[in-house]
Amino acid sequence: QSALTQPASVSGSPGQSITISCTGTNSDVGAYKYVSWYQHHPGKGPKLMIYEVSNRPSGVSNRFSASKSGNTASLTISGLQAEDEADYYCTSYTSSSTLVFGGGTKLTVL
Amino acid sequence: EVQLLESGGDLVQPGGSLRLSCAASGFTFSAYAMNWVRQAPGKGLEWVSAISGNGGATYYADSVKGRFTISRDNSRNTLYLQMNSLRAEDTAVYYCSKGNIWFGEYFDYWGQGTLVTVSS
Repeated sequence: QSALTQPASVSGSPGQSITISCTGTNSDVGAYKYVSWYQHHPGKGPKLMIYEVSNRPSGVSNRFSASKSGNTASLTISGLQAEDEADYYCTSYTSSSTLVFGGGTKLTVL
Repeated sequence: EVQLLESGGDLVQPGGSLRLSCAASGFTFSAYAMNWVRQAPGKGLEWVSAISGNGGATYYADSVKGRFTISRDNSRNTLYLQMNSLRAEDTAVYYCSKGNIWFGEYFDYWGQGTLVTVSS
């Protein structure tokens, strides 16, 4: 199972919006609603930010939103803040009854 | 408060074995699927294995199938990962994570990780 494709890095200034894409296939992202997004600060356990394509867990800022079109999912962070600087990963359930992560995207807040 | 505490990481020689544990608290352990996810040095996250709440169903990434075994003891609220025939490429921080009712949905809580180093 190949990893989902994410950009290696994105950047933005405080207050701006950025979008991270996550491209899979019609055997994973395109086939299921089970796409989720995680924020990972080095040395800590990852944090769930989005589940089932576009749902935010309680406690996650509404500056985080997500969607899916075809085989590509997207995470948007609006009103960028310094604390948003982290690595972001998407993941999807697959038709092989496995889970696959994206390669990860390093977000830099300039 | 949900807490997941991994242990058992160590330095092991190629071909060796190691068992990781994850002690869970703060939720009804037997009701939820559990997962292991790893991160090799300088690399991204990789899903390793999952197990259903009652332990009756297990799932593995191709990279570990036949070498790793996931299990759980619901009476002890503990998740395990038995790792055999270890290779250098298994070197990683291993995270325990809580799933939802079904393993494929999402991971809503994670531990801090335990480091496994495979080297001679």
